[in-house]
Amino acid sequence: NAGVTQTPKFQVLKTGQSMTLQCAQDMNHEYMSWYRQDPGMGLRLIHYSVGAGITDQGEVPNGYNVSRSTTEDFPLRLLSAAPSQTSVYFCASRASGANVLTFGAGSRLTVL
Amino acid sequence: DAKTTQPPSMDCAEGRAANLPCNHSTISGNEYVYWYRQIHSQGPQYIIHGLKNNETNEMASLIITEDRKSSTLILPHATLRDTAVYYCIVRDTNNAGNMLTFGGGTRLMVKP
Repeated sequence: NAGVTQTPKFQVLKTGQSMTLQCAQDMNHEYMSWYRQDPGMGLRLIHYSVGAGITDQGEVPNGYNVSRSTTEDFPLRLLSAAPSQTSVYFCASRASGANVLTFGAGSRLTVL
Repeated sequence: DAKTTQPPSMDCAEGRAANLPCNHSTISGNEYVYWYRQIHSQGPQYIIHGLKNNETNEMASLIITEDRKSSTLILPHATLRDTAVYYCIVRDTNNAGNMLTFGGGTRLMVKP
């Protein structure tokens, strides 16, 4: 049982490049979400999903796309990276009926 | 969701109890109090949660005042590994979303 797995752990992009941050969980959790954390700040919700095929926007969705084709996977796509998207990204999941989040180890993204 | 207020930082001597306060004066009747912590560069980790009664688990104790407007997280015997940012979050468990809102938290420094 690996929990929530995020890849890559580190990534450097140039402005305008695209990439996908991967998130997978093996706990059969229905709810998955992406947060970003800027230096010295708390976490801000980007997008979340309450089940396969269902996604919704969080607090800071602009510049990011998500999809949820399976229960296990919830990738976060940056279509055209900007320096303002330099941050640490955390994926989290929880079971239906519970309100305790399990977080991944994070993906540190730098956009030059 | 009710807003929470926490001191930005606290120090604690190793082996002593760490008492982390949280004010949530606008909490409503169906909202739970959750505590998470984030050790440097890692994903947040769930600690404990409660509604009205005091709660204890293997990690910590949660004391909620009778009027529920504030709470205290207690780490009974703090160790150096408890140095982290501690987040107090108030959340309606009946809400179908996944939108835990993380504020600035309290940076706890456990000193030898």
